[in-house]
Amino acid sequence: GEDVEQSLFLSVREGDSSVINCTYTDSSSTYLYWYKQEPGAGLQLLTYIFSNMDMKQDQRLTVLLNKKDKHLSLRIADTQTGDSAIYFCAEAGGSYIPTFGRGTSLIVHP
Amino acid sequence: DTAVSQTPKYLVTQMGNDKSIKCEQNLGHDTMYWYKQDSKKFLKIMFSYNNKELIINETVPNRFSPKSPDKAHLNLHINSLELGDSAVYFCASSQPLGDTNSPLHFGNGTRLTVT
Repeated sequence: GEDVEQSLFLSVREGDSSVINCTYTDSSSTYLYWYKQEPGAGLQLLTYIFSNMDMKQDQRLTVLLNKKDKHLSLRIADTQTGDSAIYFCAEAGGSYIPTFGRGTSLIVHP
Repeated sequence: DTAVSQTPKYLVTQMGNDKSIKCEQNLGHDTMYWYKQDSKKFLKIMFSYNNKELIINETVPNRFSPKSPDKAHLNLHINSLELGDSAVYFCASSQPLGDTNSPLHFGNGTRLTVT
């Protein structure tokens, strides 16, 4: 199986919360990242979490990390149409080179 | 004041041609990367350079040759282009590997179409 897995699509209504999930296999992961890719653009770092943390909040974004289950999630509160994009989970383990998931396309309906 | 810039943004060429993609970063980072993103958005690392030295070379055909004239530049040259090379190629940079938290900073990508 893949090292980092994410579901491919998520559809939400504007104003609702979005939760994007990710699982990874590398138990030596030190940093875990969430990147956002808008159409025709590169990936932008949204937020990250260090492996000794279990939660990080940054304005509308909440990252939860369950290290035992190797599960990472990104919650976007009050999702807006401008949040429509592809969201990539990435983990950096012993080699420190990030390994990316296949991305989750978030579609926000008005 | 673009942080990681790559040129060209679009590249359309015929099979068998040789082409180059250029990348420059002004973030003062020591490490640069090339990633390939396929049509299903899967992002796979191709190469990584640290201070002009190759440190990662994933299973990539040797038709692909990266060149780093200095630590701010990492160019990608592709010989004898094939249809399967069509993809979006992303350049990225970061602080040296192993530094506390070294997130990648990406360019906007080069969409290569081989006909």
